[in-house]
Amino acid sequence: TQLLEQSPQFLSIQEGENLTVYCNSSSVFSSLQWYRQEPGEGPVLLVTVVTGGEVKKLKRLTFQFGDARKDSSLHITAAQPGDTGLYLCAGAHGGSNYKLTFGKGTLLTVNP
Amino acid sequence: SAVISQKPSRDICQRGTSLTIQCQVDSQVTMMFWYRQQPGQSLTLIATANQGSEATYESGFVIDKFPISRPNLTFSTLTVSNMSPEDSSIYLCSVEGPVGGEQYFGPGTRLTVT
Repeated sequence: TQLLEQSPQFLSIQEGENLTVYCNSSSVFSSLQWYRQEPGEGPVLLVTVVTGGEVKKLKRLTFQFGDARKDSSLHITAAQPGDTGLYLCAGAHGGSNYKLTFGKGTLLTVNP
Repeated sequence: SAVISQKPSRDICQRGTSLTIQCQVDSQVTMMFWYRQQPGQSLTLIATANQGSEATYESGFVIDKFPISRPNLTFSTLTVSNMSPEDSSIYLCSVEGPVGGEQYFGPGTRLTVT
């Protein structure tokens, strides 16, 4: 079983602060996705990273894929209350690219 | 990205009954997936449904408990059979995206079994 360890599990910060969420595994993934899920909704895809060392930016969000494709991080700059939600990382297995392993999620609360 | 709808959005059911959840996509897709998200937990894959073939179930999930239909390339159903309170969860369907590993999710069905 390929596991994704996500940390921290909970994060409560003030508006304007920066934060980083980590996703780690002992396994290599062919790609890794980050999702955000709000209460009562399904997860929404934020980004896909596929190349070791890849960095992608989406406005105030920066995503990085580790060189060995075993880990990833999500950094949010100047967090806003609208960033509140459950952040999930998910890795795709190389042999069956469509099957995702999800991390347990990071529940982020940004207080105004 | 694909637009996915699910019905019902939520339901409260009695133990021992069954509920069928529908998933509709606005475009033709080869693979559809069904997940369970228990309260406060992450997503667990129940099965993969390809059109024209039987669904492939993950360890811990069986066809008798979670029968799946995939009659065409835009529609699938998941039935939760003989429900117990432990089946109370959010059930999500998803479809594959254009880039390997990407999936797009429906809004989910929140099921409460009493």
